[in-house]
Amino acid sequence: NAGVTQTPKFRILKIGQSMTLQCAQDMNHNYMYWYRQDPGMGLKLIYYSVGAGITDKGEVPNGYNVSRSTTEDFPLRLELAAPSQTSVYFCASSQTLNTGELFFGEGSRLTVL
Amino acid sequence: LAKTTQPISMDSYEGQEVNITCSHNNIATNDYITWYQQFPSQGPRFIIQGYKTKVTNEVASLFIPADRKSSTLSLPRVSLSDTAVYYCLVGAEGYSTLTFGKGTMLLVSP
Repeated sequence: NAGVTQTPKFRILKIGQSMTLQCAQDMNHNYMYWYRQDPGMGLKLIYYSVGAGITDKGEVPNGYNVSRSTTEDFPLRLELAAPSQTSVYFCASSQTLNTGELFFGEGSRLTVL
Repeated sequence: LAKTTQPISMDSYEGQEVNITCSHNNIATNDYITWYQQFPSQGPRFIIQGYKTKVTNEVASLFIPADRKSSTLSLPRVSLSDTAVYYCLVGAEGYSTLTFGKGTMLLVSP
């Protein structure tokens, strides 16, 4: 059982480039989330989804876009990368929205130079 | 949303019991209390969740007093591998609104 899988694990971008962070879960969870974690800080929610075709903004959505065409996949798109987007990105999923466990991926470390 | 306050860091030794307290004075009636553990370069991992009184699983215990304005995560007989950041989250509106603060950095020494 793979759980939540993120790719790539590491990536270096130049300012202005774009890329997509991939996230897939095999637990048939309706709820999926993208967080970013800056050094020494907690996690901040970027976007979340309550099901295929439904997404909504979290605390820090600027500079990012998401889509949810299937239950399994929840890619995060970075447009026009900026140094402020240098961070570790975590994808997560949950069976319920309000209680229970968030299952996290291993993270994607992104550096924008 | 209930704001949480927890110590920035704690130190312990192997074999000791560690209690990390989280304050959440404005907790709402429907709010649950959830704790996560995070190791360096990994995503957080669910430890335990409770609503009132005491909850115990194979990893930890969660103590919640009657007024629910605080909660205590208890880790029995910690080992070096328990060195991690521990987050306390409070809320009922869902993970779309819960906040992972800076957490408590627990350092376990030999």
